[in-house]
Amino acid sequence: QQQVKQSPQSLIVQKGGIPIINCAYENTAFDYFPWYQQFPGKGPALLIAIRPDVSEKKEGRFTISFNKSAKQFSLHIMDSQPGDSATYFCAAGSSAGGTSYGKLTFGQGTILTVHP
Amino acid sequence: DGGITQSPKYLFRKEGQNVTLSCEQNLNHDAMYWYRQDPGQGLRLIYYSQIVNDFQKGDIAEGYSVSREKKESFPLTVTSAQKNPTAFYLCASSSPYRGKAYEQYFGPGTRLTVT
Repeated sequence: QQQVKQSPQSLIVQKGGIPIINCAYENTAFDYFPWYQQFPGKGPALLIAIRPDVSEKKEGRFTISFNKSAKQFSLHIMDSQPGDSATYFCAAGSSAGGTSYGKLTFGQGTILTVHP
Repeated sequence: DGGITQSPKYLFRKEGQNVTLSCEQNLNHDAMYWYRQDPGQGLRLIYYSQIVNDFQKGDIAEGYSVSREKKESFPLTVTSAQKNPTAFYLCASSSPYRGKAYEQYFGPGTRLTVT
C-alpha cells in the first residue's frame, strides 16, 4: 500500500513535444505529491509539487495534473527541450505525523530523452 | 553557500569491509535521509532522522547503520552484512516546518563499488 507506481520507464520525444509521465498510488493518507528531476551523476532536485486540494498546478513549462478519485497524478512538460533530458521521479508523502512525517515514497523513475 | 555535501564522490572497497559515507548539511534542516538508487528501482529509503540523536529504519535498513550526533551530519555505514552494497547513495535533508517537511534537498551522491 506504500508503493507509488510510475510509468513509462523511458520516453523519447522530439523537441517541442509534450512528454507525459504518470504515477499511481494506493495509500489514501498520501497528501503531498512532488516531482523530482535528476541529471546523470547528480542528486535529484525538486521540480514541482501538488497537494490534493487542487487538480492542477503549473510552474513554467511543467504542469502536474492530479486525479484524487483515481489516485493518479501526472507530469506534463510543455514545449520540451533537449535540456529537459533527465530522469524524473514522482513521490508521495503523508502529513499524518509521527515517525513517518516528512518521509517520501518514490516511484521507479522515467528516463526522458528529448531529441533536437 | 548553503547545501548538502557528500564525500567522496566515488568509493571503492573490498568485499567484507565496512565503509562510512559522509553527509553534511548547512541548511539548518532538522530532518536528514539516506537513499539508495539502483537502475530501474527509483530511490529506496535506508534510514532517516527527524532530530539529533534519533533515527528510524527505512524500507531497506538491513546491513546499514547510521548515527546522528550533530544536526549537520548524518553518516551512513555500509557494513559487511549488506549483501549487495554496490549502488549510488544519496543523502537528503528537509525542514520540519509546515509545508516544507517534504521539500527534500539532495546531495550530489556517492557511488560505492564493492568488489
